[in-house]
Amino acid sequence: KAGVTQTPRYLIKTRGQQVTLSCSPISGHRSVSWYQQTPGQGLQFLFEYFSETQRNKGNFPGRFSGRQFSNSRSEMNVSTLELGDSALYLCASSFGQGGYEQYFGPGTRLTVT
Amino acid sequence: SQKIEQNSEALNIQEGKTATLTCNYTNYSPAYLQWYRQDPGRGPVFLLLIRENEKEKRKERLKVTFDTTLKQSLFHITASQPADSATYLCALGRGDYKLSFGAGTTVTVRA
Repeated sequence: KAGVTQTPRYLIKTRGQQVTLSCSPISGHRSVSWYQQTPGQGLQFLFEYFSETQRNKGNFPGRFSGRQFSNSRSEMNVSTLELGDSALYLCASSFGQGGYEQYFGPGTRLTVT
Repeated sequence: SQKIEQNSEALNIQEGKTATLTCNYTNYSPAYLQWYRQDPGRGPVFLLLIRENEKEKRKERLKVTFDTTLKQSLFHITASQPADSATYLCALGRGDYKLSFGAGTTVTVRA
């Protein structure tokens, strides 16, 4: 079974631009979560989607948004990029909602200059 | 606000010894707790899940305990090997579909 894939793996953007990151979950997994990982803040929850519905959102500004498609693939978007948005963005999929182990992708390393 | 603390940032142990990692939490009532392993440049990998009504779980050389009274989980790696060197993360969750992670403990096993 193929694992979680994320594209692109690396990205360099300038302040003020916007970016879209993509995540393909493991086949059969309907829940997709997104996390931001930085050395200072660790792994922080961004949002979770299940069957195209956002079920929870972390404490991030409205510049961070996401969506899930009918095939469970998910995208997250960050608009008006700031230097502090530089981070590893991780996507994780799981079979169900809550209480299931999450399978993480390799992440997208975003650098904002 | 909720707080999740992992005992120390780094743990250095000799090969063959048992590594014990601690995860403490406050202002939170998790329904379950998970442990993950993360290697540099990679996403976390799931290791174990324990629910609030369970005291202990084992998987090969790994053991996790969960004490909801103490608000603490202990994670043990027995007969440690250099290949166990990684960062270990605890994560707490409940019915709101959100996992909250600790900062992680980096374990280094010396041969």
